[in-house]
Amino acid sequence: NAGVTQTPKFRILKIGQSMTLQCTQDMNHNYMYWYRQDPGMGLKLIYYSVGAGITDKGEVPNGYNVSRSTTEDFPLRLELAAPSQTSVYFCASRDTGTGIQNIQYFGAGTRLSVL
Amino acid sequence: DAKTTQPTSMDCAEGRAANLPCNHSTISGNEYVYWYRQIHSQGPQYIIHGLKNNETNEMASLIITEDRKSSTLILPHATLRDTAVYYCIVSLIQGAQKLVFGQGTRLTINP
Repeated sequence: NAGVTQTPKFRILKIGQSMTLQCTQDMNHNYMYWYRQDPGMGLKLIYYSVGAGITDKGEVPNGYNVSRSTTEDFPLRLELAAPSQTSVYFCASRDTGTGIQNIQYFGAGTRLSVL
Repeated sequence: DAKTTQPTSMDCAEGRAANLPCNHSTISGNEYVYWYRQIHSQGPQYIIHGLKNNETNEMASLIITEDRKSSTLILPHATLRDTAVYYCIVSLIQGAQKLVFGQGTRLTINP
């Protein structure tokens, strides 16, 4: 099973460039999340989505945008890359409802450097 | 800010039980205790969660104190592959479940 797939795995951007980090899941989960992790730190929530067409801000949303047009995909957009956005980005998904574990499944991450 | 407190690092000998403590003194009545781990910068991996009863699965056991203000994750027979950063998180099980990761405990299993 593929689970949560993130692309690309690595990327180097110049200051001011833009890019989209892709995330797709094949588990038909309704919730999806974007986190960032700076060196030596825990993950911080950027944005999350409760289903197609519905997104909401997390703890550190500034400088990012998201959309959720399908259940499977949850792309993260950086419009004007800044050095402070150098980080590792993780996407996660979660199923909800009674009788299930209600846990988050994470992708392998995208390592982004902004120079 | 994370609502849990964990030791920064711990060591354990291979084959021994690894006991990782976590304090969550401000946990509310309907919040669960979750444990995730992160092996060498991979994506976090779910281990176990519980509300107030002790829990066990194929990976670990979770012991929650009666007052729910602390818990211990137990890896019964630690292997080198258990070397990772372990995160203790308190969260509602339903709703947005916006996980708050602290810095976790870096567990090193020594041969």
